Amino acid sequence: SYALTQPPSVSVAPGKTATITCGEDNIATKTVHWYQQKPGQAPVVVIYYDTDRPSGIPERFSGSNSGNTATLTISRVEAGDEADYFCQVWDSSSDRRVFGGGTKLTVL
Amino acid sequence: QVQLRESGPGLVKPSGTLSLTCAVSGASISSHNWWAWVRQSPGKGLEWIGEIYPSGNALYNPSLKGRVSISVDKSNDHFSLKLYSVTAADTALYFCARVASSGTVGWLDPWGQGTLVTVSS
Repeated sequence: SYALTQPPSVSVAPGKTATITCGEDNIATKTVHWYQQKPGQAPVVVIYYDTDRPSGIPERFSGSNSGNTATLTISRVEAGDEADYFCQVWDSSSDRRVFGGGTKLTVL
Repeated sequence: QVQLRESGPGLVKPSGTLSLTCAVSGASISSHNWWAWVRQSPGKGLEWIGEIYPSGNALYNPSLKGRVSISVDKSNDHFSLKLYSVTAADTALYFCARVASSGTVGWLDPWGQGTLVTVSS
């Protein structure tokens, strides 16, 4: 089924920067949202409209979207950032909401 | 503060119908928002099932091949999901969520806590 392309896993040491990508042809023409999901919990949005951060989400979380890749960047990674991250777009050509396959972020 | 809560049977027999309800509190379901269902198979990613506008206009995931129906009850501030002819592949954690901002391009926030539905005889 149709899904955006994400790396299955990303590992990073505490204090370093984590980069999670979300790929699709011309994804820059779409609006991308990013969700964080910790074990046993519902997803929570961490970035919406490509770059906007909801209140309560640390400034360490940022997003970008260009060409064929959208990117979630987490600076100064902390142990509490360990979670699954999903990107999501609305595909207006088929009127459906599409998620990426998810990326498991491991903090070493 | 908007809150959503899913409810419904946790066990459904194969070939039966999965029926879930999402109760909305802290906001009116008649507001200018879409309301969505998303599921997550054990250990897997998120799959969009569909979403509905208060007018009753609904959009569905084509991969569910016409087995799904979403309805809205404005008088009781809840919306519902029906999935017909279920198989073991429909076993999943089912979430309801509000589409934030107007239109379908918005993000999902907030989400309910999710309810596990198992398809088994």
